[in-house]
Amino acid sequence: AQSVSQHNHHVILSEAASLELGCNYSYGGTVNLFWYVQYPGQHLQLLLKYFSGDPLVKGIKGFEAEFIKSKFSFNLRKPSVQWSDTAEYFCAVRLGSGGYQKVTFGTGTKLQVIP
Amino acid sequence: GAVVSQHPSRVICKSGTSVKIECRSLDFQATTMFWYRQFPKQSLMLMATSNEGSKATYEQGVEKDKFLINHASLTLSTLTVTSAHPEDSSFYICSARTSGGLLTGELFFGEGSRLTVL
Repeated sequence: AQSVSQHNHHVILSEAASLELGCNYSYGGTVNLFWYVQYPGQHLQLLLKYFSGDPLVKGIKGFEAEFIKSKFSFNLRKPSVQWSDTAEYFCAVRLGSGGYQKVTFGTGTKLQVIP
Repeated sequence: GAVVSQHPSRVICKSGTSVKIECRSLDFQATTMFWYRQFPKQSLMLMATSNEGSKATYEQGVEKDKFLINHASLTLSTLTVTSAHPEDSSFYICSARTSGGLLTGELFFGEGSRLTVL
């Protein structure tokens, strides 16, 4: 069965520091990859997704993620975090493309940005 | 983006009673909705896939008689926790997929419903 691993459960950074959150998945075939974010008191919402094409994906609010197929990874990055980036971040993977395939989520990483 | 709304956001009930949680897609039609359960410090666990006009597909280990799912229209799915017990206390989240999401897999999430069973 597919699985998603997020290695960092809780990350604390100062404003302007660079961010990289790890995400690895276990599946050798075609995947769709996602990062979702949940700001305090709000819904989960999509930050960015990889569907096909350029493995470097840019999302909202200056976030980007790179799909490295050989490493089964889809790490999330931001060069300079802001206090407003304090949230919980979930990596997710869907097998294949098209049709019904369930989405599997990682355990989430809580990011706390200190002003 | 598409909006999904859940109600109630919090519910407290006595052990043995049943609780219904609604999930609505407000500005799109969702032929497929998903129900997740989230435990503290754990991932979102898919419970079942709700398909409009047909029976829900439950994940392994999820009791379909305990967690009743109904998807009677293209904008509404309900999850009923029957004869709730304290171990059913959890955060339940629904999500929906637009027709475009069938290809991309993108999901839109509700606010979640915190169930506490006393």
